[in-house]
Amino acid sequence: NAGVTQTPKFRILKIGQSMTLQCAQDMNHNYMYWYRQDPGMGLKLIYYSVGAGITDKGEVPNGYNVSRSTTEDFPLRLELAAPSQTSVYFCASSYLGAGEETQYFGPGTRLLVL
Amino acid sequence: GQQVMQIPQYQHVQEGEDFTTYCNSSTTLSNIQWYKQRPGGHPVFLIQLVKSGEVKKQKRLTFQFGEAKKNSSLHITATQTTDVGTYFCAGRRSSASKIIFGSGTRLSIRP
Repeated sequence: NAGVTQTPKFRILKIGQSMTLQCAQDMNHNYMYWYRQDPGMGLKLIYYSVGAGITDKGEVPNGYNVSRSTTEDFPLRLELAAPSQTSVYFCASSYLGAGEETQYFGPGTRLLVL
Repeated sequence: GQQVMQIPQYQHVQEGEDFTTYCNSSTTLSNIQWYKQRPGGHPVFLIQLVKSGEVKKQKRLTFQFGEAKKNSSLHITATQTTDVGTYFCAGRRSSASKIIFGSGTRLSIRP
């Protein structure tokens, strides 16, 4: 299993540009998440999904959109990039059942908005 | 809303000393998880605690979940340089609620 994969690893955007951060998992997990981590800070939940076709907002959803058309993929869309969105973005997945849960994180996408 | 606080923010210890980080939630949690993130890396799952008063050990690491299920701690005995990183706790009120991460405790070690 590849686990959780993210592309690209690094990207520089100009203010106002758009991009999609890709995330895929091959563990058949029902839950998927997007987090951002600013330098020296903790993880902030952007959006999450409990299954295909179902998404919900996290703590910091403004400026982002997501979709979950399949169990495997959970792309994150930035429509109008702003310098405040400079961060490292982590995708994660987990299977939540019988109270047991382990989140598996991808390697991250480092985004710089100039 | 639900908040998960972690203290201390930073801890710098001499190799061989013990280390403890504390996690406190404003609400009762259904479970709590601990993750470790090495510098430049991604968070890696360490353990999950579910039961009130639960204590679990992994070699030199001891994890506790409070009786009220609102706080937790991670204790490392005799730290080694491989323990360097940021330790995060994360919890949910229920399986239907969002998971919230603590702000993390960054551990650095003097050889």
